[in-house]
Amino acid sequence: ETGVTQTPRHLVMGMTNKKSLKCEQHLGHNAMYWYKQSAKKPLELMFVYNFKEQTENNSVPSRFSPECPNSSHLFLHLHTLQPEDSALYLCASSQPGGSSYNEQFFGPGTRLTVL
Amino acid sequence: EDKVVQSPLSLVVHEGDTVTLNCSYEVTNFRSLLWYKQEKKAPTFLFMLTSSGIEKKSGRLSSILDKKELFSILNITATQTGDSAIYLCVRGGSGANNLFFGTGTRLTVIP
Repeated sequence: ETGVTQTPRHLVMGMTNKKSLKCEQHLGHNAMYWYKQSAKKPLELMFVYNFKEQTENNSVPSRFSPECPNSSHLFLHLHTLQPEDSALYLCASSQPGGSSYNEQFFGPGTRLTVL
Repeated sequence: EDKVVQSPLSLVVHEGDTVTLNCSYEVTNFRSLLWYKQEKKAPTFLFMLTSSGIEKKSGRLSSILDKKELFSILNITATQTGDSAIYLCVRGGSGANNLFFGTGTRLTVIP
């Protein structure tokens, strides 16, 4: 399997549920990202992990909790979400080194609906 | 503020038309300007531009950057229905967290 994979592809959850999104990259990259894409808004960077260390938070609410156990896997743990958190959550990876940070490879996303 | 502004927000053309998508950005810690195509879910990489005035080309798509005027354009010639997508412009800086996305241009190509 190649590229960046995300599971599940679709998720419907209640406001009191706890769920996790998973991302895996098979590109040998050392930086991984979580983005939120809401309708008619630019992609919002949520979290960045660089060599398994979190380097960016961007004031994301604590109901979103990332985990990066190794440079190939990234999780986003969700609990007590709000309906406005419904969005497409995209994972991406890149290889650090000059401007090559900038070229990111995206997964297919998880379409999250919070009821 | 690190803004990336794309225009138009949406565009409907007929097959065979040529389109030009615009992207302007504010310069802070600039490293590169990237274009992505997003059809269903995952954005896919098209171009990365780092130098002014050098056109990058891939088939019917081409892009150029003007670092003095802080904008880039993406041209698509002889459009096809498969070109229908959202085209995202991204300004990249140094470091893993310095990426700023525009809202995208939604292109619809009708037969």
